[in-house]
Amino acid sequence: DAGITQSPRYKITETGRQVTLMCHQTWSHSYMFWYRQDLGHGLRLIYYSAAADITDKGEVPDGYVVSRSKTENFPLTLESATRSQTSVYFCASNLGGDQPQHFGDGTRLSIL
Amino acid sequence: GENVEQHPSTLSVQEGDSAVIKCTYSDSASNYFPWYKQELGKRPQLIIDIRSNVGEKKDQRIAVTLNKTAKHFSLHITETQPEDSAVYFCAPRMYSGGGADGLTFGKGTHLIIQP
Repeated sequence: DAGITQSPRYKITETGRQVTLMCHQTWSHSYMFWYRQDLGHGLRLIYYSAAADITDKGEVPDGYVVSRSKTENFPLTLESATRSQTSVYFCASNLGGDQPQHFGDGTRLSIL
Repeated sequence: GENVEQHPSTLSVQEGDSAVIKCTYSDSASNYFPWYKQELGKRPQLIIDIRSNVGEKKDQRIAVTLNKTAKHFSLHITETQPEDSAVYFCAPRMYSGGGADGLTFGKGTHLIIQP
């Protein structure tokens, strides 16, 4: 699904640094989501957003900040990266409710 | 929140045989039951879903069955092929109409198709 893109695809940074992962969708979906995927844990929800300027915490929000000033963008910021945040991050979007969630290609983030 | 368990965590079958993956959930109010497939290094993709007013749904070689009384639903893949090798996730959810929140995924089942 080319309608949702994440950048960068790969990122290496150091502990304590700030890093922002970008997510952009072209479907005008109201709802957007951030998940992290780790071995043994599957996919876990970090934050989600129902519309511009409306965000809410998921299962594992600590250490992350999100914003949604425009419907099409939903950036995820790690304000002070820690090694435990090394993971693959997926952004997703949908029309809401029980409509399928469409995922981006993911960002593989390594924190040294 | 929803407590989701998948079994088995790894399943190896011979090509052409059938595979069944089971997902057990805790929230009796759940009314939406999707299955996602994730190939190695790729994004998760929805392959089939079912809603609580339906007991079974089929789409070619894949099917999902739901047992609301026992709070579990299963993914069935028949005539397995090499391209079925992937990790499969269930993500049961309760939707009350309008609005949305994120999915709670099971930990995944690694399906291996042996040639």
